[in-house]
Amino acid sequence: GAVVSQHPSRVICKSGTSVKIECRSLDFQATTMFWYRQFPKQSLMLMATSNEGSKATYEQGVEKDKFLINHASLTLSTLTVTSAHPEDSSFYICSARVPTGVGDTQYFGPGTRLTVL
Amino acid sequence: GENVEQHPSTLSVQEGDSAVIKCTYSDSASNYFPWYKQELGKGPQLIIDIRSNVGEKKDQRIAVTLNKTAKHFSLHITETQPEDSAVYFCAARKAAGNKLTFGGGTRVLVKP
Repeated sequence: GAVVSQHPSRVICKSGTSVKIECRSLDFQATTMFWYRQFPKQSLMLMATSNEGSKATYEQGVEKDKFLINHASLTLSTLTVTSAHPEDSSFYICSARVPTGVGDTQYFGPGTRLTVL
Repeated sequence: GENVEQHPSTLSVQEGDSAVIKCTYSDSASNYFPWYKQELGKGPQLIIDIRSNVGEKKDQRIAVTLNKTAKHFSLHITETQPEDSAVYFCAARKAAGNKLTFGGGTRVLVKP
């Protein structure tokens, strides 16, 4: 399957600072990427859909000014958590859509564990 | 919008036995149903998917069945092995380009 990478895999930061997470499609071009958040023992919660060259579409209840998403190229999307607070601590996972012959398939990155002190 | 329910939430099986996870969806327009396996601390990994034009798909020890009339689909793992222990998520989606809706997940434990 297609390979999606994320960096960093883990980050610890102080409250009030900003953290940037990178998501890359390694062997394909992704016009659409997704950002998810996952709390322990829970399912994946879609935060936003990122389209290359345009503004991201945020899900209801997700603060766009707090979670800044940039999809500047066909292989890179970034999520910046601004002014992070302890309640932002979570597992953040990106995903990229790969067009296939009869539709498209979605592949996930390895995730980034964010801990805000 | 779409709603996906997944059962059971936890499943414990003896090594070598089969495991079955079931999902139901609400939107009859959904036509794509992937299954993901998530190991602890890692991202979900696509293990198999099925589209609405087929009723069953198999890949070695893993199979998925789809009943469009009843709006449910199932994951079958045969001859389970300890490395099958993980959390499994089902999902559903309408036409290509729409977002996936995930089930709540099933924690599978394969006991040696």
